[in-house]
Amino acid sequence: DAKTTQPPSMDCAEGRAANLPCNHSTISGNEYVYWYRQIHSQGPQYIIHGLKNNETNEMASLIITEDRKSSTLILPHATLRDTAVYYCIVSLAGNMLTFGGGTRLMVKP
Amino acid sequence: DAGVTQSPTHLIKTRGQQVTLRCSPKSGHDTVSWYQQALGQGPQFIFQYYEEEERQRGNFPDRFSGHQFPNYSSELNVNALLLGDSALYLCASSNLGLSSYNEQFFGPGTRLTVL
Repeated sequence: DAKTTQPPSMDCAEGRAANLPCNHSTISGNEYVYWYRQIHSQGPQYIIHGLKNNETNEMASLIITEDRKSSTLILPHATLRDTAVYYCIVSLAGNMLTFGGGTRLMVKP
Repeated sequence: DAGVTQSPTHLIKTRGQQVTLRCSPKSGHDTVSWYQQALGQGPQFIFQYYEEEERQRGNFPDRFSGHQFPNYSSELNVNALLLGDSALYLCASSNLGLSSYNEQFFGPGTRLTVL
């Protein structure tokens, strides 16, 4: 599975959009981009995934560059409850998830 | 619809002992994966079970073993416990046979402390 690179931490003001970047320059053509988040002491929570196209659901939007070497997770209106560690993972469908260090997002009032 | 459940919530063992952790997958899911998360680290993949067989395995010693039952529930066994086995053990379920992308749903975890 391809490796990912994320900034270790980010801050965001409550009510503003949070844009979390991820680099995955070695991604292969059939690998998906998954985003999970983990709120302190809880199990990781699935947010969104994509292969080539941009995706949106009730939680977030995922923007994948045309060359698929990077992506951005967008939380459109961050709340205090969005404070968590966000993991960007690249993996084949059905395969194990390889978690890196993630980005610790702090949403501030 | 219950999500992924794990038992027990917390467990304290001493070095050299053996432990069994249990996981019930989300309804409709047929695949169970186990992860170990040390304090301050991201989860590390242990193994995945599908159709009662170990389908994939991470870089963990043979002291870590598992089982999947016909109802898709699963157990994780760890023998000869070491202090370094202290961690949060996470179970995740998915539907390998149905989904083309296979997002995994995680349980709350079992916190194992080895003294």
